Amino acid sequence: NAGVTQTPKFQVLKTGQSMTLQCAQDMNHEYMSWYRQDPGMGLRLIHYSVGAGITDQGEVPNGYNVSRSTTEDFPLRLLSAAPSQTSVYFCASSYSTAGSNTEAFFGQGTRLTVV
Amino acid sequence: GENVEQHPSTLSVQEGDSAVIKCTYSDSASNYFPWYKQELGKGPQLIIDIRSNVGEKKDQRIAVTLNKTAKHFSLHITETQPEDSAVYFCAASRGGGSQGNLIFGKGTKLSVKP
Repeated sequence: NAGVTQTPKFQVLKTGQSMTLQCAQDMNHEYMSWYRQDPGMGLRLIHYSVGAGITDQGEVPNGYNVSRSTTEDFPLRLLSAAPSQTSVYFCASSYSTAGSNTEAFFGQGTRLTVV
Repeated sequence: GENVEQHPSTLSVQEGDSAVIKCTYSDSASNYFPWYKQELGKGPQLIIDIRSNVGEKKDQRIAVTLNKTAKHFSLHITETQPEDSAVYFCAASRGGGSQGNLIFGKGTKLSVKP
């Protein structure tokens, strides 16, 4: 059981380049999300999805796009990388019963540096 | 929206001592409060969680208490061990679906000295 898998683990981009961070889960969770982690800032929500075909913005969505064509995959796209997007990115998945949340499982993270 | 404050930002204890980390939240509708442990180079991992209909929950050396009236919850680690050294995050959410977004505190770096 792989859980949540993120690729790549490390990436260096030049300013203005685009790329896609991959996230896949094998737990049939309907809820998936992307966070960025910066020193002293905790984890901030970028985008989330409550099911295939449904996505919405989180706290810090600017500069990022997402799509959810299948339950398993939730890629995060950087349209035109900027140094301010240098961060560690985490993907998470969970399921929820009506009105109640459950454990969120996190991937191992992608460390992105934009130069 | 929800805001979660976490204190202290760093905590150093001697092995065998207890450690307490405190969080406050702003949204009285929040009903789920998990605690995550993050080791260096890894993703956060759930260590314990509590729902709003419970005041306290314990799992071996770890316990969480919740005070809904004061809107704060705390993590208690007893008999600390060097392997407890990590960054700990509290979080809060309102419920399922789009309400289930976890809002995190800024984290506490716990160091346990042998």
